[in-house]
Amino acid sequence: GAVVSQHPSWVICKSGTSVKIECRSLDFQATTMFWYRQFPKQSLMLMATSNEGSKATYEQGVEKDKFLINHASLTLSTLTVTSAHPEDSSFYICSARDLRRTNTEAFFGQGTRLTVV
Amino acid sequence: AQSVTQLGSHVSVSEGALVLLRCNYSSSVPPYLFWYVQYPNQGLQLLLKYTTGATLVKGINGFEAEFKKSETSFHLTKPSAHMSDAAEYFCAVGVSGNTGKLIFGQGTTLQVKP
Repeated sequence: GAVVSQHPSWVICKSGTSVKIECRSLDFQATTMFWYRQFPKQSLMLMATSNEGSKATYEQGVEKDKFLINHASLTLSTLTVTSAHPEDSSFYICSARDLRRTNTEAFFGQGTRLTVV
Repeated sequence: AQSVTQLGSHVSVSEGALVLLRCNYSSSVPPYLFWYVQYPNQGLQLLLKYTTGATLVKGINGFEAEFKKSETSFHLTKPSAHMSDAAEYFCAVGVSGNTGKLIFGQGTTLQVKP
């Protein structure tokens, strides 16, 4: 149980285009999902908290108009990188937590490698 | 504010030797602490966690960690390293007692030599 799936695993896009990344909790409901960004050989930095049925909460310094987050259902959150540029190239990872269970950890997706050319 | 510091960005051990990865945290509230492992181009897998209760926590693959409040530490150990343990390890603290929203340390690359 507690599987989180991200799609796609990797994507290459042209500069100026938009890319959507999906994060799905496959066997539990997640009212909250988290999006992280990881540059090569660096740690994970929290970008935003995705809340089902409401607006996402962005961390300081993260452009909400650049990184659009939608959490339309209890099992799906999407991150759209709009007007992507080469500096947006990174590894994006989502996590989800089953809030019905207390003191449980968040489960991570396998990540999405975005390369903007 | 909460933070996590991992001492040593790169640790190298011989196969069969003790693994010790260091993590210190700063938190104004009782911390929830985690250790995750990441293999290249993959997501994170939870090794173990401390939320409440016993301060010595046992995890998967023979890893364990001890929460020491007086030292603000949560070091990860394994008695005998395997080649398959070579990976990136991250220590994390839950933000404001949240087990989902995490602040990560810088990561430690574990190399295991034959």
